[in-house]
Amino acid sequence: EAGVAQSPRYKIIEKRQSVAFWCNPISGHATLYWYQQILGQGPKLLIQFQNNGVVDDSQLPKDRFSAERLKGVDSTLKIQPAKLEDSAVYLCASSLDYGNSPLHFGNGTRLTVT
Amino acid sequence: GQNIDQPTEMTATEGAIVQINCTYQTSGFNGLFWYQQHAGEAPTFLSYNVLDGLEEKGRFSSFLSRSKGYSYLLLKELQMKDSASYLCAVRERTTALIFGKGTTLSVSS
Repeated sequence: EAGVAQSPRYKIIEKRQSVAFWCNPISGHATLYWYQQILGQGPKLLIQFQNNGVVDDSQLPKDRFSAERLKGVDSTLKIQPAKLEDSAVYLCASSLDYGNSPLHFGNGTRLTVT
Repeated sequence: GQNIDQPTEMTATEGAIVQINCTYQTSGFNGLFWYQQHAGEAPTFLSYNVLDGLEEKGRFSSFLSRSKGYSYLLLKELQMKDSASYLCAVRERTTALIFGKGTTLSVSS
């Protein structure tokens, strides 16, 4: 089965610019997640979708970050305006919707804000 | 609050056995996961525990004690390719995972 697809793989922007990341989950996975992983740390959940509804966005900095999942499949994560501290790897993951279902991660987008 | 603790770094030699510990304090518990992450790559799923005890999968085993809020990942017959970061993660109320900071394992010959 095809894995989680993300693009772009790398992105370099200046602070105060905007950027968008795209994710296509594994076919049939109802739940999609965006995580932020800063160098040397574990992934931190930003937002969780089930189909096209938001389950948890409590850690999403909503003044600058937004995410949507159209038609319950693909998702985009946007940052506007970017800050230096947003430099990180943004990981998209998907899973089936039952207790022991693991998360399957994409290769991530490495964002550098200068 | 949520707190997941793991050692930052560990070293071992090829052929040895290493145990990576994880302690957690979370408001809910619906399972504990271990992931492996090589540098510059995505985390990949290794194991899942929801009941107390040991789960064995080839060279890797994972143990859970819910009453102690404790888990460990045991890696046997270490190989150079096992050099990676190992992430402990807890599932609370939703299917999302809360991750620890990870343990970087370096295997030398």
